[in-house]
Amino acid sequence: AQSVTQLGSHVSVSEGALVLLRCNYSSSVPPYLFWYVQYPNQGLQLLLKYTSAATLVKGINGFEAEFKKSETSFHLTKPSAHMSDAAEYFCAVSAPFTGGGNKLTFGTGTQLKVEL
Amino acid sequence: EAGVAQSPRYKIIEKRQSVAFWCNPISGHATLYWYQQILGQGPKLLIQFQNNGVVDDSQLPKDRFSAERLKGVDSTLKIQPAKLEDSAVYLCASSSHSGSSTDTQYFGPGTRLTVL
Repeated sequence: AQSVTQLGSHVSVSEGALVLLRCNYSSSVPPYLFWYVQYPNQGLQLLLKYTSAATLVKGINGFEAEFKKSETSFHLTKPSAHMSDAAEYFCAVSAPFTGGGNKLTFGTGTQLKVEL
Repeated sequence: EAGVAQSPRYKIIEKRQSVAFWCNPISGHATLYWYQQILGQGPKLLIQFQNNGVVDDSQLPKDRFSAERLKGVDSTLKIQPAKLEDSAVYLCASSSHSGSSTDTQYFGPGTRLTVL
């Protein structure tokens, strides 16, 4: 079974500062990892995904994440925060399971606040 | 390209009543997912369809929840009877391929259910 742990349910940064959202995974097989963003009253939108190609993955809106197998981590970063980045961010893991299909297991989310 | 559509956006019911949610996936997407997102938690997969067949419903409370995807397009999720703990946002997602672990899932805006 696979799972993800997001450290910090709330993160606050100043506009222009580095954004770092932490995600650690647990998986018995090579994982595929995803970061999704959720704005208020909206569905989830994919930021980026790791599918065993390059370990440094670049996504939309200037976000990137690095897969580190030795640390079982997939932290999300952005060099300079913008007010529009304020949202909830979810890390998710998937792996093939018996019977086929793609089961995404989500973390509990990190609410990002960006202050002036 | 139109996104995943869901209706209604909001629903308030009394406990023991019935409720149904509707989802229209992105055109041509073969795989459809229903998730339950309780406040403060990440989405949890309830059921996954591949065309009109169920791939995974292991976390669907089958004594009260049911779902169908007639003709492999639209889907309906029903709760009968509802309990207080069913208060949540119900998210529908779709993906284009065969449910591969690397598929990107596209989410609708969700239906927020409040059970009083």
